[in-house]
Amino acid sequence: GESVGLHLPTLSVQEGDNSIINCAYSNSASDYFIWYKQESGKGPQFIIDIRSNMDKRQGQRVTVLLNKTVKHLSLQIAATQPGDSAVYFCAENGYGGATNKLIFGTGTLLAVQP
Amino acid sequence: DTEVTQTPKHLVMGMTNKKSLKCEQHMGHRAMYWYKQKAKKPPELMFVYSYEKLSINESVPSRFSPECPNSSLLNLHLHALQPEDSALYLCASSQGGGREQFFGPGTRLTVL
Repeated sequence: GESVGLHLPTLSVQEGDNSIINCAYSNSASDYFIWYKQESGKGPQFIIDIRSNMDKRQGQRVTVLLNKTVKHLSLQIAATQPGDSAVYFCAENGYGGATNKLIFGTGTLLAVQP
Repeated sequence: DTEVTQTPKHLVMGMTNKKSLKCEQHMGHRAMYWYKQKAKKPPELMFVYSYEKLSINESVPSRFSPECPNSSLLNLHLHALQPEDSALYLCASSQGGGREQFFGPGTRLTVL
């Protein structure tokens, strides 16, 4: 992803609305993708993952969609709550699982308005 | 136990000091990682240990020295750091390649 300097891309939503956070990944050989949530002052927290043999996976209030044709990943959060406010990072395993290396996207700040 | 712990939470050090960051996990994970994260940026990989052996060094300056004493512990020894090394240092662990990495809360390092 392209750096945006000191300012993270920001998505502002109203409490109760659905949120969609997008991510473009870089390596067509990637076969594993993860979404992390990072709250201020904390380490990244695993949300959901998906392998490249799937195009959709659902968790509790979250859904990840994978479009390998255009190398695009999205995270949908249903009924967004103030506690969802955080920076969200997508990550890909870049080398098709041959190494333990994850490549992180630049991140999106989700701001939930009460 | 599904937690990665890191100590200390905060560290302030001078450029001539020697200090160490510690990380511990008891999930039986065989891969452990050090990342550096600057404000408003994604984590940047520094080192990967797999089965207690260093498998990836992302061209990190030698003033950062990792150590894996056993499968549960990971240290990062710091010496002669620069102010630009100030950042959040994150430890993570995983069962192996192609699996989710679990992160600790990080150590907030300030170099004066």
